[in-house]
Amino acid sequence: LAKTTQPISMDSYEGQEVNITCSHNNIATNDYITWYQQFPSQGPRFIIQGYKTKVTNEVASLFIPADRKSSTLSLPRVSLSDTAVYYCLVGDGWAAGNKLTFGGGTRVLVKP
Amino acid sequence: NAGVTQTPKFRILKIGQSMTLQCTQDMNHNYMYWYRQDPGMGLKLIYYSVGAGITDKGEVPNGYNVSRSTTEDFPLRLELAAPSQTSVYFCASSYSLGVVDTEAFFGQGTRLTVV
Repeated sequence: LAKTTQPISMDSYEGQEVNITCSHNNIATNDYITWYQQFPSQGPRFIIQGYKTKVTNEVASLFIPADRKSSTLSLPRVSLSDTAVYYCLVGDGWAAGNKLTFGGGTRVLVKP
Repeated sequence: NAGVTQTPKFRILKIGQSMTLQCTQDMNHNYMYWYRQDPGMGLKLIYYSVGAGITDKGEVPNGYNVSRSTTEDFPLRLELAAPSQTSVYFCASSYSLGVVDTEAFFGQGTRLTVV
């Protein structure tokens, strides 16, 4: 399993863009990068997944450089309700046995 | 679709008691997981299952047991509860295509206190 490293916490203000970078230096060829969001007292929720370049959905964008050794989750114009913990996961269904291993995540606090 | 349903939502156990945390999903997912989350920490995988009749250990399986007799249900059994098992427990499910980890859906959690 590729090991991931992400900042423990980040503060931001309403209306700003938040970028969270995840390092995964030993990512394997078949690995995908997936981000989950967890609000207090709730289970994690899938945000976005990608393999290379850029992926965008209604919630976030995911930027993956050519070497794939890192990825950046971008949350545009955050609001107070985006305060949550964000987890970066790297894995391949077969190789990882689909174990969905979570690290410590990044705690994002959005201030008024 | 109800998604992933966990029961109970809260439970207080005395040391040495046993209980079963229930988890049911109605999405016909083949993969199911149990996690525990201690205050301020990330999720740790206890057990997972890739299909009915097949289970395997995660990072922290000691003190727990699971079974998967049907696709829908994946109960977690605590035998001889200990204070160290005080935590929030999450059940999740996903449909594996093999090549990629598809979106996993989580239940609302069971908050367990052992006193």
